[in-house]
Amino acid sequence: EVQLVESGGGLVQPGGSLRLSCAASGFTFSRYWMSWVRQAPGKGLEWVANVKKDGSEKFYVDSVKGRFTISRDNAKNSLYLQMNSLRADDTAVYYCAGEAGSDVDYWGQGTLVTVSS
Amino acid sequence: QAVLTQPSSLSASPGASASLTCTLRSGINVGAYRIYWYQQKPGSPPQYLLRYKSDSDKQQGSGVPSRFSGSKDASANAGILLISGLQSEDEADYYCMIWHSSAWVFGGGTKLTVL
Repeated sequence: EVQLVESGGGLVQPGGSLRLSCAASGFTFSRYWMSWVRQAPGKGLEWVANVKKDGSEKFYVDSVKGRFTISRDNAKNSLYLQMNSLRADDTAVYYCAGEAGSDVDYWGQGTLVTVSS
Repeated sequence: QAVLTQPSSLSASPGASASLTCTLRSGINVGAYRIYWYQQKPGSPPQYLLRYKSDSDKQQGSGVPSRFSGSKDASANAGILLISGLQSEDEADYYCMIWHSSAWVFGGGTKLTVL
C-alpha cells in the first residue's frame, strides 16, 4: 500500500523558514518523480515543485522560484521542501504527491503551513 | 487568462450523467495534452481518477469505476470528465491538470453537487 506522510508544518513569521518532509512507503521510491502541491484555505490546488527520480531535474512554479528548494533522499525514501523567505500567501496545506498518472499517484494527508505575525 | 478554466459549480441528479469541462486557453491546443483529473472530497486529499489524451492514450486510476471516463471536445478546445450514473458519493470538487511549459497546471476546480 502506497503511503505518503508529510511533516514539518507549523506557524512561522513572514520572512521565516520551514522544512517539510514526506516519508514514502509501499513502493520503490527511487523509480518515480515526486511533487509538492499546496492548497490555500478554501482555495484550489496549486502545484509547487517536482523532482526527477534521481534528483537531477527540478521544476518550480514561478511564485516560489528562488525561495523554495525541493530535494529527495532515495536511501531514506524521503522527499523534502525547504521553504525560505515565507510570505502570507504561502499559507496552505502542503501535499506530497506521487508521479502524476502513475500507479503511485497518491497524495499524503498534508501538512499545514501558516505564515503570520 | 488562466491556462485551464473550469466552471465553478455544476449540479446534477442521482442516476444522471455529468459532463465536467476543462477549457484550455486560446493558443494551447487540447490535442497535444494529456489531461489528468482529480477528485477531492471535503477534509481529504485529492484522489487521482484518470488521464486522457486520446482513445489510444488513456489510463484509468487504480480502483476508479468505469462510470468515470475522459474525452475531449476539440471544437471547444476542452477536456471532459464524464461521470455516468451519478451517486451521492460523487459529490466533490474536481480538478483538471496538464503539464505545460515545464510546470503542472491545475484548473480552478468544479464543485459537483448531486441532488
